[in-house]
This record gives sequence, structure tokens and C-alpha cells, in this order.
Amino acid sequence: AQKVTQAQTEISVVEKEDVTLDCVYETRDTTYYLFWYKQPPSGELVFLIRRNSFDEQNEISGRYSWNFQKSTSSFNFTITASQVVDSAVYFCALTRPPSSASKIIFGSGTRLSIRP
Amino acid sequence: EAQVTQNPRYLITVTGKKLTVTCSQNMNHEYMSWYRQDPGLGLRQIYYSMNVEVTDKGDVPEGYKVSRKEKRNFPLILESPSPNQTSLYFCASSLSMAPQQPQHFGDGTRLSIL
Repeated sequence: AQKVTQAQTEISVVEKEDVTLDCVYETRDTTYYLFWYKQPPSGELVFLIRRNSFDEQNEISGRYSWNFQKSTSSFNFTITASQVVDSAVYFCALTRPPSSASKIIFGSGTRLSIRP
Repeated sequence: EAQVTQNPRYLITVTGKKLTVTCSQNMNHEYMSWYRQDPGLGLRQIYYSMNVEVTDKGDVPEGYKVSRKEKRNFPLILESPSPNQTSLYFCASSLSMAPQQPQHFGDGTRLSIL
């Protein structure tokens, strides 16, 4: 079964702290893609990053970094020196190859609150 | 401006009264999809369309219909809405059905079925 688990329902930190959002996935596919999306208080969903199952390189984009580890089926997201504007709900998602029923599976989301 | 447009943004209606939520994209995307977002459940896929006249069920299709007569439009139809369909709905599109393509989302439609 395909599944994405974001065990942290809510996280609250003080501005400038580092914070890591966990994402654990289950899949039997050998080819798959993982995504992170951000949903700020205004409600829209914004694409942040994509990672394919063959690329385990970590990625850094400014204050954001992602750690993909196939050995633990995890794709964690770290925000360094958090800011109030980072407050949002963050979703991790898993997609399957075209030969499968084209399903996109989202985790239940982690609500991140950054306190000034 | 490249965007996915949903209408209406908010709707309160009553059980059994047919309604349609429209979705339109101006990016010439092949793949379009509908999701519902409920607290604690994340986003769940309702229906998706890989191209014109090609649609398929997602994880929670019961009570919904869709059509894809034109590439840019993908309306979601609730023939006989019920209170358990009260939710926040998102339409999304991507360039193709290839799984590496990120989704572009509309701003959401909040439906309340009384």
C-alpha cells in the first residue's frame, strides 16, 4: 500500500530556530517521486521541491534543505533560521509511475507556527 | 499570468441541490485533478484527467462527477450534495501525467452543504 506519514501534526518554534518536518513514506514501486508543498494562511498550495527515487542527493535552497534517505523511507524538510513568514501547513506527497493508476498521495500535513 | 482558476471560492448550499465547481487553467496542461482537504486527512484525490475526454477515479470519487470536454476546463459536479461533502476543494493541473511534474493549484473552493 502507498502511504505518506507526517507524524508531527503541529510544531511551534520561536523565530530564528531551526526546525525539521518529518515525512515517512511507504511504496512498493521502485520509481516514484516525492514532493513538498506549502499552504500559507491564505490557503493556496505552493510547490516547493520534487525528488525522484534515484536521486538521494540532499538539496539546499536558501534557508530550506531536504534530506532524502531511501534506507529509512524518509524525506525530511529543514528550515534554518525560521521566520514568521514560514508559518504554514506543509504537505509531503508521493506520486507513482505512469504505468500505475496515476495517484498522488498526500500526508496529513504539519502545521508550523513561527512565533516572533 | 499562468494560473488555475476555481469558481466559486465559497458556497453554502443545501442537501440535494446540484452544484458545479468550475476549474480552468491557462497553461495548456494535459493533466488536471480535483482534491478535497479535510482536517487531519490532508488532501485526497477525487478524480483526475490525463487529457481531453480521459478521466479516472482517484481515492474518494463517490458522490462526484467530472468531465473534460476541453483541455482548459475540468468541472467538478455534485449531483446530489450531502453534508459529508462539506470540505475545501482544490483543482490542480500539471504539464503532463508524468509523476515528476509538480501540481499547480487553484486557490480553493470552500463548500458547505447544510
